[in-house]
Amino acid sequence: EVQLLESGGDLVQPGGSLRLSCAASGFTFSSYAMSWVRQAPGKGLEWVSAIGSSGGSAYYTDSVKGRFTISRDNSKNTLYLQMNSLRAEDTAVYYCAKDISVNIGFDYWGQGTLVTVSS
Amino acid sequence: FMLTQPHSVSESPGKTVTISCTGSSGSIASNYVQWYQQRPGSAPTTVIYEDGKRPSGVPDRFSGSIDSSSNSASLTISGLKSEDEADYYCQSSDSSNWVFGGGTKLTVL
Repeated sequence: EVQLLESGGDLVQPGGSLRLSCAASGFTFSSYAMSWVRQAPGKGLEWVSAIGSSGGSAYYTDSVKGRFTISRDNSKNTLYLQMNSLRAEDTAVYYCAKDISVNIGFDYWGQGTLVTVSS
Repeated sequence: FMLTQPHSVSESPGKTVTISCTGSSGSIASNYVQWYQQRPGSAPTTVIYEDGKRPSGVPDRFSGSIDSSSNSASLTISGLKSEDEADYYCQSSDSSNWVFGGGTKLTVL
């Protein structure tokens, strides 16, 4: 059974940093691209970042470029999202998602972790 | 590249409902479309992938299709049940940019 378990969400002040983790199990983690998708309170889904299966390629939505860094440790079956220079508009539930295949979409989702940026 | 969905739809139990997803440019048929269901307070789940395929465990009441003439994708749910009441999002990708529609709230009356 595929499981994705996010952690690391918290209340942080504007300008602060946070690192999210997503522990994966139930599939060959190193064979699949992974993504982060967020959902602001009462809003729709927004893709944030994706990383290739080996970690050699990374992609970001424009609003987080230069502030967020996606990475993965295939030996630990774990996906990460380092978030710096956080803004109020980054407040959201962050989901990690397993990609179906290259540049298509997602077949499994985690339960999400809440990031709140506020003073 | 944007995907546009109706804000809300409603239908009675046992009936059939179709939710549309219209691409803003190019051909929606050029890249696969996925559909996700999100019940209140829960994480999204995938109900359709690669235009019309169903993950294991998703009932065959759910189907997806592409209409190139209108540059749109559709999610059809037949035999509506109260448990189908949820938000539904379409999604596609374009040049390593994953795009979601704004979501459609389905109310089962």
